[in-house]
Amino acid sequence: EPEVTQTPSHQVTQMGQEVILRCVPISNHLYFYWYRQILGQKVEFLVSFYNNEISEKSEIFDDQFSVERPDGSNFTLKIRSTKLEDSAMYFCASSDLSGQGRYEQYFGPGTRLTVT
Amino acid sequence: AQSVTQLDSQVPVFEEAPVELRCNYSSSVSVYLFWYVQYPNQGLQLLLKYLSGSTLVKGINGFEAEFNKSQTSFHLRKPSVHISDTAEYFCAVITSGAGSYQLTFGKGTKLSVIP
Repeated sequence: EPEVTQTPSHQVTQMGQEVILRCVPISNHLYFYWYRQILGQKVEFLVSFYNNEISEKSEIFDDQFSVERPDGSNFTLKIRSTKLEDSAMYFCASSDLSGQGRYEQYFGPGTRLTVT
Repeated sequence: AQSVTQLDSQVPVFEEAPVELRCNYSSSVSVYLFWYVQYPNQGLQLLLKYLSGSTLVKGINGFEAEFNKSQTSFHLRKPSVHISDTAEYFCAVITSGAGSYQLTFGKGTKLSVIP
């Protein structure tokens, strides 16, 4: 069964450093998302991406964040200058656009980001 | 703005007993409703969804949920749990007709099945 993959599974970085989290969505999906979950808190929406541009973004997704689909398979989340409060589990998800499939988001296993 | 409330943060239950995990949402507009499960060290897996039609929806692993519009609830049930059901369960909504596919999640309920 096709699945969303994410790398790395765990990233440790120092405050102020740039990080790039990588995702490979399901191959025929066209809608991509990033969510995050700070330890002990809710899963929160960050951004959605379709047709090579951002469709929606939350208040969390400020100028420190950016997303990119650099090629036909990868979808990345970049944090330019990490802060301690960026420590969280980051989930990538994808969905297709056919009928009810638009509403079925398939999640990857997550990348745990630890900012020290 | 949407919000989702999962009333129980932890639910312990004995193996083969029934379980209900509660979910309420706040919205005056139509919503699509979802339950996701997260097993330890894994991502979120879709258990079931309500988009339209019958208010009783069946999902994977023997779970079902009932959409109750008047009570703005979407409680998850299973008549007999197994040890393998130990996981965290998340209720989520999407506002329908708004052109948005953004999921709003509840805080999650940790289900612990006791042998």
